[in-house]
Amino acid sequence: DTAVSQTPKYLVTQMGNDKSIKCEQNLGHDTMYWYKQDSKKFLKIMFSYNNKELIINETVPNRFSPKSPDKAHLNLHINSLELGDSAVYFCASSQDARSDTQYFGPGTRLTVL
Amino acid sequence: QQQVKQSPQSLIVQKGGISIINCAYENTAFDYFPWYQQFPGKGPALLIAIRPDVSEKKEGRFTISFNKSAKQFSLHIMDSQPGDSATYFCAAKKTGTASKLTFGTGTRLQVTL
Repeated sequence: DTAVSQTPKYLVTQMGNDKSIKCEQNLGHDTMYWYKQDSKKFLKIMFSYNNKELIINETVPNRFSPKSPDKAHLNLHINSLELGDSAVYFCASSQDARSDTQYFGPGTRLTVL
Repeated sequence: QQQVKQSPQSLIVQKGGISIINCAYENTAFDYFPWYQQFPGKGPALLIAIRPDVSEKKEGRFTISFNKSAKQFSLHIMDSQPGDSATYFCAAKKTGTASKLTFGTGTRLQVTL
């Protein structure tokens, strides 16, 4: 009965590889987000989708591509992984694009070797 | 540029003491100020939030104090408990569609016995 779930929880990969992180929410929310938390714990938004439509796109390398097959899922695909991509990635959701409260998933720790 | 500045970076408080974390913001358009609590290995979770129309909001042992003229707000944890040991993030947002949460840099709180 997890509200916002992510898979995998840990991801270890080599530089140059392509990887995906999946996110699903069962809250019936319209809006989903991807955040990156760096080694200093700083949280920064990357993307937001509302009903499968991209509404926030921060300055993120185009190696990062979000995909929303439906409003309950928001996946993050990363091409040509670099050392600096190592971080914890959090998915979150909110009732709609105007809602203030966001519900976060447990995070995916990505380590690029 | 860091739009929400948070201090201190870390805090050690004895059980039963008061924990105080401060945040300052720059953008006067912000009108929603939440605090998130993050335990190790977990995603951030909303703890308490305030809007600028009130100067204080209390929920149990947690209180937000808000000073609109100084553009500052703080979290007070009364009777701090070891279970409160976590990282706390302040954040700010302006109401509206596709408006993003801007987080502070986090405060790692340790409550000792």
